Amino acid sequence: NAGVTQTPKFRILKIGQSMTLQCAQDMNHNYMYWYRQDPGMGLKLIYYSVGAGITDKGEVPNGYNVSRSTTEDFPLRLELAAPSQTSVYFCASSYPRQEETQYFGPGTRLLVL
Amino acid sequence: QKEVEQNSGPLSVPEGAIASLNCTYSDRGSQSFFWYRQYSGKSPELIMSIYSNGDKEDGRFTAQLNKASQYVSLLIRDSQPSDSATYLCAAYGNNRLAFGKGNQVVVIP
Repeated sequence: NAGVTQTPKFRILKIGQSMTLQCAQDMNHNYMYWYRQDPGMGLKLIYYSVGAGITDKGEVPNGYNVSRSTTEDFPLRLELAAPSQTSVYFCASSYPRQEETQYFGPGTRLLVL
Repeated sequence: QKEVEQNSGPLSVPEGAIASLNCTYSDRGSQSFFWYRQYSGKSPELIMSIYSNGDKEDGRFTAQLNKASQYVSLLIRDSQPSDSATYLCAAYGNNRLAFGKGNQVVVIP
């Protein structure tokens, strides 16, 4: 199993541009999550999904959107990128309940200039 | 009050010594607790999970949970240079996992 994969690894965006961060898992996990981590800080939850077709907001959802059309994929969409969205983004998944261990992808480093 | 607090600054320990990390959480309804290790530039990886009061040992790592005091700790015995990393404490409650800012551990050979 590849586990949780994320693409791209690194991206530079100009202010106002949009992009989609890809996340996929091959563990058949029903729960998936998007976090952002700013330097010296813990992880903040952006959005999560409890299964295909179901998503919900986390602590810091503004400026982001998600969709979950399949169990495997959970893309994160940034609309109108802002410098405040410069961060490292991690996708994670867990099974079979939300309170179980979350497994993280390698992360996407995003720089908005 | 932050949901999960890790207040200690960077911790330097000699190789072979015990590293002790502490964490407090504010949500009394939190159900499960985790310690993740994060190397610089890498993603968090699970070290320990603990769900009930008491100690849980796994190799050189021991997690301790005290729900009455809302306190979680991690002991690393026989610290190795490869243990040098940031350790994140996390508590699950209110349908989400809340993370502390992390404690940096530096093991000095």
